[in-house]
Formats: sequence, structure tokens, C-alpha cells
Amino acid sequence: VQLHESGPGLVKPSETLSLTCTVSGGSVSSFYWSWVRQPPGKEFEWIANIYDSANTYYNPSLKSRVTMSVDTSKNQFSLKLSSVTAADTAVYFCARARTNSLQYFMDVWGKGTTVIVSS
Amino acid sequence: DIQMTQSPSSLSASIGDRVTITCRASQSISSFLNWYQQKPGKAPKLLIYAASSLQSGVPSRFSGSGSGTDFTLTISSLQPEDFAKYYCQQTYTTWTFGQGTKVEIK
Repeated sequence: VQLHESGPGLVKPSETLSLTCTVSGGSVSSFYWSWVRQPPGKEFEWIANIYDSANTYYNPSLKSRVTMSVDTSKNQFSLKLSSVTAADTAVYFCARARTNSLQYFMDVWGKGTTVIVSS
Repeated sequence: DIQMTQSPSSLSASIGDRVTITCRASQSISSFLNWYQQKPGKAPKLLIYAASSLQSGVPSRFSGSGSGTDFTLTISSLQPEDFAKYYCQQTYTTWTFGQGTKVEIK
């Protein structure tokens, strides 16, 4: 399985950040899928998970602004983050999350895409 | 959120050295702990899941241990390709990561 993130690299403050992750070599209908970001010089922040194409889990700190969804016809999943500010500037990664006896871990990652929030 | 604190923040080591990185959780997370390796400009790579399970394809010189609040990643004999930054991650509740430990050449 390979993952590839795509989307605009520059977003204006207060607008909505939209990213897509294309899944190749496997079906988006299986597994959990995740979004994680890494702000410059800071630690990783988990954003959201989705499984079974409809069940979503969001980081409470971002929940009011985040929407994650799956498009099975395109074998993609996506992230929308509304009302962005400079604090949302980061490298955004999509990843596959697997489970093993209730343990979760991200075993396949995309290369990441840089998003800068600036006017 | 559960805070994950790694130590040290960075270390210098030589090829062949045994390296140990510690990760401490602000509350008990059982064994819901993963370790990742990241090289500059690259995506993270899963090394260890569930505190001590070696991910398929990862060299056996990497090992993980611990439960509750204290965890350790050990590299038994450091190799040139191991110079990177290492992160722990807990999945007990809202997923959080440690700040990372950079392993540099001595």
C-alpha cells in the first residue's frame, strides 16, 4: 500500500484547508485511516481517524473545525480543516492505522505535504 | 491529554554503541505505546508497536520494553542508517506523541 497527499500548499487565514490522500495498492474501504500533522519544530499532532468509511474520531482540540471523509469511488480519503490560522501551518501526513488486540499503530505513511497559512 | 516526555532530547553515539531512549507517560497507558523513526524530510517509520512488538521488516537490533508509564526503546548496536529522530506515541486515549529524541553521530 502507498499513500500520497495532495492539496494546496498555501491557504489564507480563516479559510478551509482541504487535503486528499490517494491510496494505491489497497482498498480505502479496509483499515483505519489517519491524518497527523507536524508543525515546524514541534511534535506530531494526531488530527483524525476514520474506519469503515464512515466512523470518525477527531482530536478534541480540533474537533470543531475538522471533517474527515472517504471517497470509495476514487480510493481516497480527505481532510477539511476550517477557520485556519498560522498555528495550522504544518506538514500534514496521511497514514494507515492498523489494529492488533485493540492496539493501534500507523504502519504506512504518505510522504507528507507542507501547508502554509498566510495571507 | 496524556503528555509523553522523551529523554534525552538528543544524544551522540558511535557505530556499534548500545543506545537507550526513554519515554514517560503522564498517566498509565498500559502497553499502548508505539515507536517511530523519522529521517529529515521523510515520513515516520513504525519500529515498535504495543510497547514491545517488532514491526515486520525492522531489524532485530531494535527492541522496546515497558508498561504503565515508563517505556524504553533500545538499539543494541547502532548502525549508520540509525542516525535519525525517534518518537514515541500513545494510543491509550487521544493519541499523542513525545517531542522526539535525535540520535547523532559522535
